[in-house]
Amino acid sequence: QQQVKQSPQSLIVQKGGISIINCAYENTAFDYFPWYQQFPGKGPALLIAIRPDVSEKKEGRFTISFNKSAKQFSLHIMDSQPGDSATYFCAASRVGGGGNKLTFGTGTQLKVEL
Amino acid sequence: GAGVSQSPSNKVTEKGKDVELRCDPISGHTALYWYRQRLGQGLEFLIYFQGNSAPDKSGLPSDRFSAERTGESVSTLTIQRTQQEDSAVYLCASSSPGQWTYEQYFGPGTRLTVT
Repeated sequence: QQQVKQSPQSLIVQKGGISIINCAYENTAFDYFPWYQQFPGKGPALLIAIRPDVSEKKEGRFTISFNKSAKQFSLHIMDSQPGDSATYFCAASRVGGGGNKLTFGTGTQLKVEL
Repeated sequence: GAGVSQSPSNKVTEKGKDVELRCDPISGHTALYWYRQRLGQGLEFLIYFQGNSAPDKSGLPSDRFSAERTGESVSTLTIQRTQQEDSAVYLCASSSPGQWTYEQYFGPGTRLTVT
């Protein structure tokens, strides 16, 4: 059972453009929604995360939009740069209690072209 | 400071052999997680350790998989009688519960290839 669905699988954006990646979840108990960035040969690194008490969080060029009623959240990368080319994973978890076990989406390969 | 380290970085083994993968978490991190990442897929949770509590093994795919952790330090993931479907990158992450960010810090992974 795939509890977090991510789209698109791959994305090509021109330098300076906006990259948008979408995720949908099923488990209403999830209350922590991070995005991870992964470069080839490296482990994922936390990019930005949101809790469901807010609908948007912005850090620099990266913004998470969160829609609790639709059980959807998205990552927006403004002014995309070639250095942003990587694989992006959304994830979700229920923090506290039995640990913060992350359920990941299947990933989006982003390529930013000059 | 040192991040999460994993060894070996690559492991090629024959089907049916046992393998041990090692994870050194960030010093002071009480929580440790193992995930599996198959080619082109997202990460799948395997097992979670928190301090001296009983581990959460709910993600282990079969009884061929086991893991141990000594206190709040090194962890080893053991796969017995490896199968070709075990080929994947095995990632370890650690975190410090209480941090409001809940961030998990990942190691570079061990790429396991079963031939």
